[in-house]
Amino acid sequence: GQQLNQSPQSMFIQEGEDVSMNCTSSSIFNTWLWYKQDPGEGPVLLIALYKAGELTSNGRLTAQFGITRKDSFLNISASIPSDVGIYFCAGPGSSNTGKLIFGQGTTLQVKP
Amino acid sequence: GAGVSQSPSNKVTEKGKDVELRCDPISGHTALYWYRQSLGQGLEFLIYFQGNSAPDKSGLPSDRFSAERTGGSVSTLTIQRTQQEDSAVYLCASTGQRTDTQYFGPGTRLTVL
Repeated sequence: GQQLNQSPQSMFIQEGEDVSMNCTSSSIFNTWLWYKQDPGEGPVLLIALYKAGELTSNGRLTAQFGITRKDSFLNISASIPSDVGIYFCAGPGSSNTGKLIFGQGTTLQVKP
Repeated sequence: GAGVSQSPSNKVTEKGKDVELRCDPISGHTALYWYRQSLGQGLEFLIYFQGNSAPDKSGLPSDRFSAERTGGSVSTLTIQRTQQEDSAVYLCASTGQRTDTQYFGPGTRLTVL
C-alpha cells in the first residue's frame, strides 16, 4: 500500500537554527501536505503543494514538491520555541475519498 | 463552535467494555473522517463519510469498530469489547469542498486498561 517515510524521526535544535525535514514515497503523490501537531491538539495544515517542482512559503516555513512527485521537504528558518511539535507530511490515498496517508512524523524540540 | 469538536477529551475504560466517541464537524462541512493515532505514530485512516453516500469503511481494523453519522452532521465512533491495543488518540476531521484541507478536532485519548 501507499506509505510515506519521514526523516528525521526527531530533532533537537537551538533556537535560531534552521530546520529541514523530508518525506519520501515509493509511489507518486499529486498533492503534498505538511501538518503540525501541538501536544493535545489535532494536526493543523501548514502548507499544501499541488504541482511538481512547486516551492511554497508560509512565513518562516518553506516546502517543496519534488520533481519526481515522490518526495517533499519542509524547511523552518530561524526556529523559535513555539515551533516545538510534531510535523507530518501527508498525501491523498489512492481512492478518491480524500482520505489522507500520513508519514510517521518528525518531532521537533527547540532549546531556548 | 468554529472548529471541529470531539468528546470526551479523555476516556479510560476497562478491557472488554464498549466505548463511544463523538465528533461534531464544522457546520456545513459535508465530508467527515476518523483517524487513529497510536503513540509516536502518524495518523491511520479509519472511516470516511460524504453526504448521503455509503461510507468508506476500508480503514476499520476489525468488526469491533463501527461508526455512524446522523443527519449528515454529528458522528459517533463505537468500539466494542475494547482491547488494550485500541489505546490511542482518535481524531476526527471535516472538510468542505477541498477534501485535502482537512480540519482536525483535538482528539479523544482512549486508554484501555
